[in-house]
Amino acid sequence: GAGVSQSPSNKVTEKGKDVELRCDPISGHTALYWYRQSLGQGLEFLIYFQGNSAPDKSGLPSDRFSAERTGGSVSTLTIQRTQQEDSAVYLCASSLAGLGEKLFFGSGTQLSVL
Amino acid sequence: EDQVTQSPEALRLQEGESSSLNCSYTVSGLRGLFWYRQDPGKGPEFLFTLYSAGEEKEKERLKATLTKKESFLHITAPKPEDSATYLCAVLGSSNTGKLIFGQGTTLQVKP
Repeated sequence: GAGVSQSPSNKVTEKGKDVELRCDPISGHTALYWYRQSLGQGLEFLIYFQGNSAPDKSGLPSDRFSAERTGGSVSTLTIQRTQQEDSAVYLCASSLAGLGEKLFFGSGTQLSVL
Repeated sequence: EDQVTQSPEALRLQEGESSSLNCSYTVSGLRGLFWYRQDPGKGPEFLFTLYSAGEEKEKERLKATLTKKESFLHITAPKPEDSATYLCAVLGSSNTGKLIFGQGTTLQVKP
């Protein structure tokens, strides 16, 4: 596609439910990143994929968070047993090779946990 | 640990009133400093990358500069459409290409 696509754009869930967030990166980009942005805050790194592998998971806040990438393309971020503090905008970005070139961001998924 | 601090948190300008945004950083082995613009409800959009102290880049009314400890984003004669949040990020010695972001400066330009 022309840009990074994320779905859904908005997700409202109840505390304790599981959610899945989807990211479709720019075609041909091997590197994919997930970030989280809480209200009025900067971007917090969550996880990095190179192809289907995740060599850097250092930003995942707890074992309730997991992510996978298949076919070197689409990625899914899963949050199990959601908590209110998980409410934030989840942003996905991709880059050509993950070597320090600029990141292209999607518009994000606004997650609200009630 | 790599860190980025931006100031001010918010800035209100009149149209045509020039100013600067600051980005202070601490990083082991800077490989690049990035500026992004973020509009409400959208993801960040790339503006500039600076690689070494003394480097400058310009785009329309924006000019980014870099020293060994900080970067400035100068806005000359801003217009209302320049209103946005400006994010600074550093790429350190990590070999993953991940960026460490500051909290951002929210700029409002009034006509």
